[in-house]
Amino acid sequence: DAKTTQPPSMDCAEGRAANLPCNHSTISGNEYVYWYRQIHSQGPQYIIHGLKNNETNEMASLIITEDRKSSTLILPHATLRDTAVYYCIVRATFSGNTPLVFGKGTRLSVIA
Amino acid sequence: GAGVSQTPSNKVTEKGKYVELRCDPISGHTALYWYRQSLGQGPEFLIYFQGTGAADDSGLPNDRFFAVRPEGSVSTLKIQRTERGDSAVYLCASSPLGTGTDTQYFGPGTRLTVL
Repeated sequence: DAKTTQPPSMDCAEGRAANLPCNHSTISGNEYVYWYRQIHSQGPQYIIHGLKNNETNEMASLIITEDRKSSTLILPHATLRDTAVYYCIVRATFSGNTPLVFGKGTRLSVIA
Repeated sequence: GAGVSQTPSNKVTEKGKYVELRCDPISGHTALYWYRQSLGQGPEFLIYFQGTGAADDSGLPNDRFFAVRPEGSVSTLKIQRTERGDSAVYLCASSPLGTGTDTQYFGPGTRLTVL
């Protein structure tokens, strides 16, 4: 079972920041937080990942709380093309490669 | 560069038939993964290859499902005696090294429909 909890759906106005929350209260010290998204009829696309520090790349920012029990993915200026299902995944890495365990994700609708 | 490709994009078959789904990973990627996605659900892990060998096949639902990667690049997922419950999108992903923090790159999937 997925170790994360996400709201099933969210709306965001085009051009505004989209803030997608994720709870992972049982996360272990050496587990990373990964975010993927899946646009309709496509495979999942990697967005960003982090351990405990905040991370930023060309797609998004990831804010992880100090106790690491929750995180927020931020899309700073959402566009219509950002409409997708966003998956927050906790991934153990200490024992080598592990598969991604997806939950149901958050369906983000960006509205013009 | 070329991403992960999967063929066919759609496959319709009848209950009881045998099907093969093909995945071409990104060139040079050591690790290859198969996932299955049912309608309204997130992808579920099936099997993972490191090179030619199956490093983890714990997600295969039963012995009707089998996958191979004989030369460490292309992989084929094989399903025998298909059932209606096998209908889903089958996703393939690859990653460069197969390490714990490797990013997995997904293909577009094969939509399998069992009538």
